[in-house]
Amino acid sequence: GAVVSQHPSWVICKSGTSVKIECRSLDFQATTMFWYRQFPKQSLMLMATSNEGSKATYEQGVEKDKFLINHASLTLSTLTVTSAHPEDSSFYICSARDGTSGFFGSYEQYFGPGTRLTVT
Amino acid sequence: AQKVTQAQTEISVVEKEDVTLDCVYETRDTTYYLFWYKQPPSGELVFLIRRNSFDEQNEISGRYSWNFQKSTSSFNFTITASQVVDSAVYFCALSEALRNNNAGNMLTFGGGTRLMVKP
Repeated sequence: GAVVSQHPSWVICKSGTSVKIECRSLDFQATTMFWYRQFPKQSLMLMATSNEGSKATYEQGVEKDKFLINHASLTLSTLTVTSAHPEDSSFYICSARDGTSGFFGSYEQYFGPGTRLTVT
Repeated sequence: AQKVTQAQTEISVVEKEDVTLDCVYETRDTTYYLFWYKQPPSGELVFLIRRNSFDEQNEISGRYSWNFQKSTSSFNFTITASQVVDSAVYFCALSEALRNNNAGNMLTFGGGTRLMVKP
């Protein structure tokens, strides 16, 4: 159980186009989803936290108009990179937390396999 | 503010050697959770362990062991008799305690330690 999928696993796009990345919890209800970005040989940096049905909370320095996050259902969150530029090329990882189990919900965050974005 | 420091950026060992990956953390919370993840070249994070701040017992799982010491704010990870398949980047992470059902318990990651195990 507790599987999170991401689609696509990799994508190459031209500068100026938009790219949508999907994150799905396959066998649990993800009340909270997190989006991370990882540049080569660096750590994961949290971009934003989204709770189902509400607006995402972005970390300082992350442009909310450039990285659109939608968490419309308990099993799906999407990250859209708008007007992508080469500097947006990175590995994007989502994680999902099951907030329906236990008193305060599960402590576990389950990670997706990641999406490698290359902007040419 | 939370902070996780992994001072070792890269470690290289020869197969069958023991290796310890250091992790030091900072938090003002009295209740928190510590994690270790493995990231192989494929990129997918593999969960290894979670430990809450009230449980300082060391843990052993096969060749893996973890030493949690609140007095030094450290949560070190030891691989015994390392194998080539252990080669990966290892991340230590910290999470605050959950406070309500919809609170995002964000993970703060350390910089990671790249472990290379040579045959």
